[in-house]
Amino acid sequence: GDSVTQMEGPVTLSEEAFLTINCTYTATGYPSLFWYVQYPGEGLQLLLKATKADDKGSNKGFEATYRKETTSFHLEKGSVQVSDSAVYFCALKDNNNDMRFGAGTRLTVKP
Amino acid sequence: DAGVIQSPRHEVTEMGQEVTLRCKPISGHNSLFWYRQTMMRGLELLIYFNNNVPIDDSGMPEDRFSAKMPNASFSTLKIQPSEPRDSAVYFCASSFTGASNQPQHFGDGTRLSIL
Repeated sequence: GDSVTQMEGPVTLSEEAFLTINCTYTATGYPSLFWYVQYPGEGLQLLLKATKADDKGSNKGFEATYRKETTSFHLEKGSVQVSDSAVYFCALKDNNNDMRFGAGTRLTVKP
Repeated sequence: DAGVIQSPRHEVTEMGQEVTLRCKPISGHNSLFWYRQTMMRGLELLIYFNNNVPIDDSGMPEDRFSAKMPNASFSTLKIQPSEPRDSAVYFCASSFTGASNQPQHFGDGTRLSIL
């Protein structure tokens, strides 16, 4: 079945460092891809999405590009802040509207 | 716009008691999902409804768990009797499944502690 594999954490970075969280997927058909962020004590919030190959989703300085050839949707940010500390989930939604989430990657940014 | 609303935010009760978690999805959404999140198991889908009908309850851990959606604007997840291993954060999410590019929107969760 469809699945999402994301980089295991935890990831610890210094403020202003470059962030990459890897995400790859397995799917039949053409899924939509999402990144969610979960701040402590809160629910998952949609961070960005891409719905077709070569689309780039972006929000709050985060970006991810839908790469069909490598079945990837890596999350990047050029300069992280302490406030970006959270758990990040990669997810896909297939043509049957079934959602699959990755295991989550915990990011800690230190001042 | 109001998001997905869950209540209560926190629940602490003794084992053996009945627990009822409530969810109001976003208006216009036709699918509703119940998840459980723990450190050990991560985010698990328990059950989801489409147009108020349960579609897949294979994630419901035991018969002690039940979920209902009597109308498009309300759902409950019930645990009876509760056990300490049920302690977790329970999330409700909703989405519009008319198109595959629509994301799920999550509530803030109910943090459940069974003593």
